[in-house]
Amino acid sequence: QQQVKQSPQSLIVQKGGIPIINCAYENTAFDYFPWYQQFPGKGPALLIAIRPDVSEKKEGRFTISFNKSAKQFSLHIMDSQPGDSATYFCAASILNTDKLIFGTGTRLQVFP
Amino acid sequence: NAGVTQTPKFQVLKTGQSMTLQCAQDMNHNSMYWYRQDPGMGLRLIYYSASEGTTDKGEVPNGYNVSRLNKREFSLRLESAAPSQTSVYFCASILSRDRRPQHFGDGTRLSIL
Repeated sequence: QQQVKQSPQSLIVQKGGIPIINCAYENTAFDYFPWYQQFPGKGPALLIAIRPDVSEKKEGRFTISFNKSAKQFSLHIMDSQPGDSATYFCAASILNTDKLIFGTGTRLQVFP
Repeated sequence: NAGVTQTPKFQVLKTGQSMTLQCAQDMNHNSMYWYRQDPGMGLRLIYYSASEGTTDKGEVPNGYNVSRLNKREFSLRLESAAPSQTSVYFCASILSRDRRPQHFGDGTRLSIL
């Protein structure tokens, strides 16, 4: 119940494409769902986050879609660029704690 | 620049050796965390410290110990390193659970032969 399942493991798109990364969870006590972006040799950095009372959140070219009834959330990257090539992790935080449970990561490659 | 600083960046150990990984943050954050990152497994929480003077086990604590030396510093110790502990270790910090997100350091790459 503590797991966050992430797919796909890797993704290759051309510049301008819209990669979509999906995550699913079981624990209904999760109340915060961030996405992290990680470049090689660096630590993860927060990209965008959503709470379950909102169905969609946009920040620039990045959008989270959240489906509370299905217990799924996804990251869409609009007009993807080669500079978006990185590993993306979804995560979830349990109500009244600050511990994060991470998905297994998606390696995204955007070709010119 | 403000942030989370980890030392060393790279280390190679022999099985059975001991080592302490250091982490310091200068953002006056209350909570600090140690994760390990392995291919295909995401980040898994080893130990965390919700405040100075307290530490708690995470998902994979076996083989590790931690010390919250003061508000700034949180160290991770491997008493007798094993090849299964070869990984990239990340330290993170957060002001409080109402002030997410977690801020990560750039990691320590540890190889155990």
